Amino acid sequence: QSLLTQPPSTSGTPGQRVTISCSGSSSNIGSNTVSWYQQVPGTAPKLLIFTDDQRPSGVPDRFSGSKSGTSASLAISGLQSEDEADYYCATWDDSLHGFVFGAGTKVTVL
Amino acid sequence: HLQLRESGPGLVRPSETLSLTCAVSGDSISTDPYYWGWVRQPPGKGLEWIGSIFYSGATYYNPSLKSRVTVSVDASRSQFSLRLRSVTAADTAVYYCARLGPLSVPAAMRSFDHWGQGTLVTVSS
Repeated sequence: QSLLTQPPSTSGTPGQRVTISCSGSSSNIGSNTVSWYQQVPGTAPKLLIFTDDQRPSGVPDRFSGSKSGTSASLAISGLQSEDEADYYCATWDDSLHGFVFGAGTKVTVL
Repeated sequence: HLQLRESGPGLVRPSETLSLTCAVSGDSISTDPYYWGWVRQPPGKGLEWIGSIFYSGATYYNPSLKSRVTVSVDASRSQFSLRLRSVTAADTAVYYCARLGPLSVPAAMRSFDHWGQGTLVTVSS
């Protein structure tokens, strides 16, 4: 069982805004930054958000990250069909002295 | 343009050692102070961090795998490697190598910013 809790799935229609939560603890999200990854089935994960809310170059501004206390969120605004994928949060855990990933959230575009 | 490419056997027998190499091109693995890491994904499941290595050789491992894992770096060949001993069917997964960045933040704050394409390793007799 992952130290980071994500909802297994969420969905939305094109153009809608969806959010994915990632809940942790004081030893991980509460004291370190969060990154988010998008994984289209059959392909490698792709970095979407780093250090809580920064987008790498090339990532559309429809994707945004935020963090408060021991929880983080990824928001996708203006949902598009190509956003259908699995999304993972990740961070460093001070107790484990290592990186931890959430179990992933499957986003379906209806 | 940074590229990472995993290579190694696609089939490993139970109790043997899984060995993979990640070739890095487009960046200097020997001079830039990056961490490099391995992440795996069992079929139909989520991502699991295996371990990371600093360009100087310092390593960090997932506690659940630490007793069986070794990650090493060969800067002269611009590559780093993974060895996982005493494998079982539970180690069947797609194995990814990745770089941790950016350099502007402390190591624990970094993200896996570049990934290899992944390689499927099946453990079976």
